[in-house]
Amino acid sequence: AQKVTQAQTEISVVEKEDVTLDCVYETRDTTYYLFWYKQPPSGELVFLIRRNSFDEQNEISGRYSWNFQKSTSSFNFTITASQVVDSAVYFCALSANTGGFKTIFGAGTRLFVKA
Amino acid sequence: DAGVIQSPRHEVTEMGQEVTLRCKPISGHNSLFWYRQTMMRGLELLIYFNNNVPIDDSGMPEDRFSAKMPNASFSTLKIQPSEPRDSAVYFCASRGGSETEAFFGQGTRLTVV
Repeated sequence: AQKVTQAQTEISVVEKEDVTLDCVYETRDTTYYLFWYKQPPSGELVFLIRRNSFDEQNEISGRYSWNFQKSTSSFNFTITASQVVDSAVYFCALSANTGGFKTIFGAGTRLFVKA
Repeated sequence: DAGVIQSPRHEVTEMGQEVTLRCKPISGHNSLFWYRQTMMRGLELLIYFNNNVPIDDSGMPEDRFSAKMPNASFSTLKIQPSEPRDSAVYFCASRGGSETEAFFGQGTRLTVV
């Protein structure tokens, strides 16, 4: 079975703090893809990053960074020096061979960044 | 590219009525997904098409829900008869290949009264 767990329902930080959003996934496949999406208050779902199971290299994009660790089945997302505009719901997602590469989502983490 | 286009953006209907949601995927994409988002259940995958063929419809809640993809550029999700518990935001997404990410439409906010 495939599953994505985002244990943090809501996180509240003050602007300029760093924050890490956790994502733990379950799959028996060796070929799979992991994603993060952002859903701002306006409601659209915005793709942020994709990682494949063969590439554990961490990635940094501006204030965003992602830590992929197969040993712990985690794909965590860190926002450095958070800003009010980062306030949104963030979703982690998984697509794997056994599921026909359907994309399933975690429950999401709602991030509040206060000025 | 116009992105994934969904219509209508908002729909209010009375219980028992038929509702049809529409989606135009990104040109060239071969996979299409329908999701439902509610506060209680989050983002649920309802059905997944690949090359216009339904691959996985295990998420379709019950027989009142049906989805079609008659060609590569159009899909519908139909609810008949609709019930208040069907009220949600319905998203359509498309993808160019199994190794790529899905891109989402703006969603249809359905309210059944």
